[in-house]
Amino acid sequence: DADVTQTPRNRITKTGKRIMLECSQTKGHDRMYWYRQDPGLGLRLIYYSFDVKDINKGEISDGYSVSRQAQAKFSLSLESAIPNQTALYFCATSDRTEDGNTIYFGEGSWLTVV
Amino acid sequence: DAKTTQPNSMESNEEEPVHLPCNHSTISGTDYIHWYRQLPSQGPEYVIHGLTSNVNNRMASLAIAEDRKSSTLILHRATLRDAAVYYCILRDFYTGTASKLTFGTGTRLQVTL
Repeated sequence: DADVTQTPRNRITKTGKRIMLECSQTKGHDRMYWYRQDPGLGLRLIYYSFDVKDINKGEISDGYSVSRQAQAKFSLSLESAIPNQTALYFCATSDRTEDGNTIYFGEGSWLTVV
Repeated sequence: DAKTTQPNSMESNEEEPVHLPCNHSTISGTDYIHWYRQLPSQGPEYVIHGLTSNVNNRMASLAIAEDRKSSTLILHRATLRDAAVYYCILRDFYTGTASKLTFGTGTRLQVTL
């Protein structure tokens, strides 16, 4: 089983709908992240959380919100989806005590907004 | 924030060594140099990281310049499964500030028979 699990893996939704992407991890890490990947743009950070009570905006947080329900769970919401939010989304984790702060990624969630 | 510069693409023949360069001229003293790679249709995966000294692991080697302003990821014998986008990124250890983590567009490595 994957250490970082994202659901759903693929989703098509309509403009204006609310959509939630969920992430859970079994690595016991305190830090969790949501990234977005668009062709030719690499990965961009949306939100990150260093512990359950800590939420921080990343480079491109507008139009997104997050919830850290527990140490192992971090969900990303699009309150009113728009077509330019069509992208591949990655959840990731890291451990502040680990040398170098290596980041571990999930397999990604493809989101299409039509 | 310190950023990295990598070539957009490189090609290699299978079974040959590959040297992937990365420039990071504004690196700070507390920045670790990380390499990740992303295979098609997968999330990025950790390859190797280092601070000052050269590093080796089962996947690759990392050669860091003495002034730390550049580094090179070395794949000793490229295989078709190594075809991926390779990202060189800087990771500040002490602040752990995720917002400083910039992936950029990486180097797309093509491996041919």
